[in-house]
Amino acid sequence: GQQVMQIPQYQHVQEGEDFTTYCNSSTTLSNIQWYKQRPGGHPVFLIQLVKSGEVKKQKRLTFQFGEAKKNSSLHITATQTTDVGTYFCAGPGDSNYQLIWGAGTKLIIKP
Amino acid sequence: SQTIHQWPATLVQPVGSPLSLECTVEGTSNPNLYWYRQAAGRGLQLLFYSVGIGQISSEVPQNLSASRPQDRQFILSSKKLLLSDSGFYLCAWSVLRGGADTQYFGPGTRLTVL
Repeated sequence: GQQVMQIPQYQHVQEGEDFTTYCNSSTTLSNIQWYKQRPGGHPVFLIQLVKSGEVKKQKRLTFQFGEAKKNSSLHITATQTTDVGTYFCAGPGDSNYQLIWGAGTKLIIKP
Repeated sequence: SQTIHQWPATLVQPVGSPLSLECTVEGTSNPNLYWYRQAAGRGLQLLFYSVGIGQISSEVPQNLSASRPQDRQFILSSKKLLLSDSGFYLCAWSVLRGGADTQYFGPGTRLTVL
């Protein structure tokens, strides 16, 4: 079945370092979405990418959608403590009503 | 604006006891509704989704069931809880627009089965 693989599972960074998480789909996606879940909280929608090769920025966050629309990445520049949490990617499933979720990448700031 | 409510926020239940979790959405009509479960430190497992009143699709065979008695109400139930039912239960809603189905999550219910 359709799968969305997300790596790494965890990333430990010093505050101020960069962070990147990658998603790869087994099939071409019509769009890909990114969500952030703070510790103890619920996932919150960040952004949706639709076009091949699309790049979108939200302050220090840069989201990319691959040319083949099968992979995506989220890059955070100069991480801050407010960035701590788990970042999930998700793409449409076989039906329009479902999302297929990546396993998430947990961003941990080293003390 | 749309709001999604879930209750209770936390719940501790003995093995074998029944369960009822409720989710309601305000500010939108005919939403798609979802129940997810998240084990500690893990990803999201879709349990059920509903595209309309009385319409339930089950993704994972288990001792849980879902019902949608009203347009903006989604209920997750169990007759007898198992230890493995512990987790963070999240309700979400979406409205399909232009082929995209962004989901908006409620605050969740943290269930511990002892």
